[in-house]
Amino acid sequence: GAGVSQSPSNKVTEKGKDVELRCDPISGHTALYWYRQRLGQGLEFLIYFQGNSAPDKSGLPSDRFSAERTGESVSTLTIQRTQQEDSAVYLCASSKGGLGDSSYEQYFGPGTRLTVT
Amino acid sequence: AQSVTQPDIHITVSEGASLELRCNYSYGATPYLFWYVQSPGQGLQLLLKYFSGDTLVQGIKGFEAEFKRSQSSFNLRKPSVHWSDAAEYFCAARRVGRRALTFGSGTRLQVQP
Repeated sequence: GAGVSQSPSNKVTEKGKDVELRCDPISGHTALYWYRQRLGQGLEFLIYFQGNSAPDKSGLPSDRFSAERTGESVSTLTIQRTQQEDSAVYLCASSKGGLGDSSYEQYFGPGTRLTVT
Repeated sequence: AQSVTQPDIHITVSEGASLELRCNYSYGATPYLFWYVQSPGQGLQLLLKYFSGDTLVQGIKGFEAEFKRSQSSFNLRKPSVHWSDAAEYFCAARRVGRRALTFGSGTRLQVQP
């Protein structure tokens, strides 16, 4: 089936504006993750959703960042009042989930490149 | 704090030469370990993973990695590099029972003809 998809692929916004980034996980995957990748750096964990459980928000860098997921489908990451330091590639991943740690292998989307001017 | 370190930012090898990319981790207990590859314009692809058992792990595209507990290392190797292997390689770790991955800062591999 299709992999993880993200939209838009590129987003340029002015400082202070709000942006919404979308992630469509692999069908049937119950777990969904957001990561941020700054230029020349590794990925930083932002937030994790598993089914209907409360999300793990421990990686969100500030209260300007929030994410939602309805059931086991699409997720949106919202950044309010964007700052230049928010410029990065935002990657989404999904996992099948369920019993056993091997079921949490993460499949990544192509990312959204956000540029804040 | 839990961390993953990739000491080499950039490596250049000749096509056909062997390759070793280094990865060290700092965790209280042995985490699950992964290597991902990121090609230009593409998402991350899992090369291989280590959960437990045999310390030499085989992956896709001819890659393997060896887990060494005494050195807290999980180095990636390939006997003969192909030009198509040029990409960014990321080592990652996940604490047992936790879902989020911690990534190293990556090693960019350049392959010379």
